[in-house]
Amino acid sequence: DIQMTQSPSSLSASVGDRVTITCRASQGISNYLAWFQQKPGKAPKSLIYAASSLQSGVPSKFSGSGSGTDFTLTISSLQPEDFATYYCQQYNSYPPTFGGGTKVEIK
Amino acid sequence: EVQLVQSGAEVKKPGESLKISCKGSGYSFTSYWIGWVRQMPGKGLEWMGIIYPGDSDTRYSPSFQGQVTISADKSISTAYLQWSSLKASDTAMYYCARREYMDVWGKGTTVTVSS
Repeated sequence: DIQMTQSPSSLSASVGDRVTITCRASQGISNYLAWFQQKPGKAPKSLIYAASSLQSGVPSKFSGSGSGTDFTLTISSLQPEDFATYYCQQYNSYPPTFGGGTKVEIK
Repeated sequence: EVQLVQSGAEVKKPGESLKISCKGSGYSFTSYWIGWVRQMPGKGLEWMGIIYPGDSDTRYSPSFQGQVTISADKSISTAYLQWSSLKASDTAMYYCARREYMDVWGKGTTVTVSS
């Protein structure tokens, strides 16, 4: 299985901050990388697919980049509704695997 | 509107069987993969398996192969996840989601297994 390692596992940030989350694959996955946001008690929500394609309806403050083994999710200006846990997922090969998550908390 | 509607919460005893469902609407159900994801209490997301309702092609994670069965009834646009003999360790939230990259998610089905 491909291992997906997210860093950091948690971070504290202030409203208005620029936040970057990193996801590293244990082997190359081209651009078959998705990002999700999950709030407590809610289902995950798709943010980005194909490493950098924004899902319909997702605000442009979210952006993704990377290819191969190293990927990033950036939130350009953190807002109160963005405090959540974020997961990456590779879907290049079976079984698809998720990163361990990054919890974004209020500073 | 594309939606996946999951069946309601379940409380079962160890050893019992269970089948939970995920009904798709607002799109061509047979044209998109439907995957299942487990989230144990306080933990991260685990990919379980996926089915293509058009031809019932099914893939499982090795971690779940033999532990669950994924199926679909395209006549009613519904995918299923089933257990033949539940364990306490199956207690979790189970989500279905559309496509390999999981663009649309159901709200989840809570499964509690306790004696």
